[in-house]
Amino acid sequence: EAAVTQSPRNKVAVTGGKVTLSCNQTNNHNNMYWYRQDTGHGLRLIHYSYGAGSTEKGDIPDGYKASRPSQENFSLILELATPSQTSVYFCASGDAHREGDTQYFGPGTRLLVL
Amino acid sequence: GQQVQQSPTSLVLQEGENAELQCNFSTSLNSMQWFYQRPGGSLISVFYNPSGTKQSGRLTSTTVIKERRSSLHISSSQITDSGTYLCAILNNAGAKLTFGGGTRLTVRP
Repeated sequence: EAAVTQSPRNKVAVTGGKVTLSCNQTNNHNNMYWYRQDTGHGLRLIHYSYGAGSTEKGDIPDGYKASRPSQENFSLILELATPSQTSVYFCASGDAHREGDTQYFGPGTRLLVL
Repeated sequence: GQQVQQSPTSLVLQEGENAELQCNFSTSLNSMQWFYQRPGGSLISVFYNPSGTKQSGRLTSTTVIKERRSSLHISSSQITDSGTYLCAILNNAGAKLTFGGGTRLTVRP
């Protein structure tokens, strides 16, 4: 069974502070993704990666950075957190080039920026 | 404009009723996927269905690429079916999924 874990599961941050969300996958998938989910918007892609050392901008990258130091780990970094970044963040891994494959999602991180 | 649109946005059923969820997309795609999200939970893939009809238990997914739509049919709904159903397309440009806004389903006893 695919396994994607996220930490922390809940986070309260102050405006202007730095926040790092971590994701680990044990699926040996090449691709990893960071999404945020807000009411009325479904999931929106922030950053993604095709493998260690690679990061790509998604649909809403402004205010976020990403880091993929290894196959297993993918971090999302908010250098200067703002209240508009209050959301639920999901990490996922997958190998979309393989027919029938899908993305496997982590449990989510609830971030509140005060 | 929004590439993936789902309807209805919310749906309330009595246990045992059937549900039809719709997903329309405005761009070319490699695949269509349906996900289920329990309230407050993570996403679980329900169907990978780039075209045609697939069935799994009480769930049936039909994708018609020419008409740029996909549907998810739930028969004999159960209380445990409650949650949000999201469709997502994987477009020809790469490995990214684009999600619709979801349909929130509530099944009451």
